[in-house]
Amino acid sequence: AQSVTQLDSQVPVFEEAPVELRCNYSSSVSVYLFWYVQYPNQGLQLLLKYLSGSTLVKGINGFEAEFNKSQTSFHLRKPSVHISDTAEYFCAVTRRGAQKLVFGQGTRLTINP
Amino acid sequence: SQTIHQWPATLVQPVGSPLSLECTVEGTSNPNLYWYRQAAGRGLQLLFYSVGIGQISSEVPQNLSASRPQDRQFILSSKKLLLSDSGFYLCAWSWGYEQYFGPGTRLTVT
Repeated sequence: AQSVTQLDSQVPVFEEAPVELRCNYSSSVSVYLFWYVQYPNQGLQLLLKYLSGSTLVKGINGFEAEFNKSQTSFHLRKPSVHISDTAEYFCAVTRRGAQKLVFGQGTRLTINP
Repeated sequence: SQTIHQWPATLVQPVGSPLSLECTVEGTSNPNLYWYRQAAGRGLQLLFYSVGIGQISSEVPQNLSASRPQDRQFILSSKKLLLSDSGFYLCAWSWGYEQYFGPGTRLTVT
């Protein structure tokens, strides 16, 4: 069975500072990985996805993530955050042929001025 | 382009009353459809998913049920709500591996 661990439940950072949100997964087979963002009282929005190819994936809003198979990680990064990046971030994993995503518990990113 | 709708946006219901939440998708055919729930301050819990009309898979035994009467319509129901049914309900669709979410319904059971 697959599982996802988001190592930090809350991450506070100052505006314009870099940020990394950590995600580790467990799976015995090849995986597909995703990051979603959820703003207050809204649905989830897809930030980026890794299906195959380059291990460095670029997404919307200046975010990127790196797939590291040996570390079973898919950490999300942004070089300079804005107040508007304050939100909940979810990492998710699935495998070929699966109908469902397995989500992590989420990381709350808070940007302080 | 594809669009997913959920209604109502907010709902306040007394304990023991029935529930019906609706989700519709536009701009695609034969999508997989999903119902999730988020309790306050917690992650996502998959409740049901459907790969076709009339095909429902239940992930968590509870007093909720789901139906898919049409290709792009997914309904979440309950005959008698419990206080523990309060939460944020999200519908999602997929055609590949990634899922796309609706705006959600905030349900408060009083």
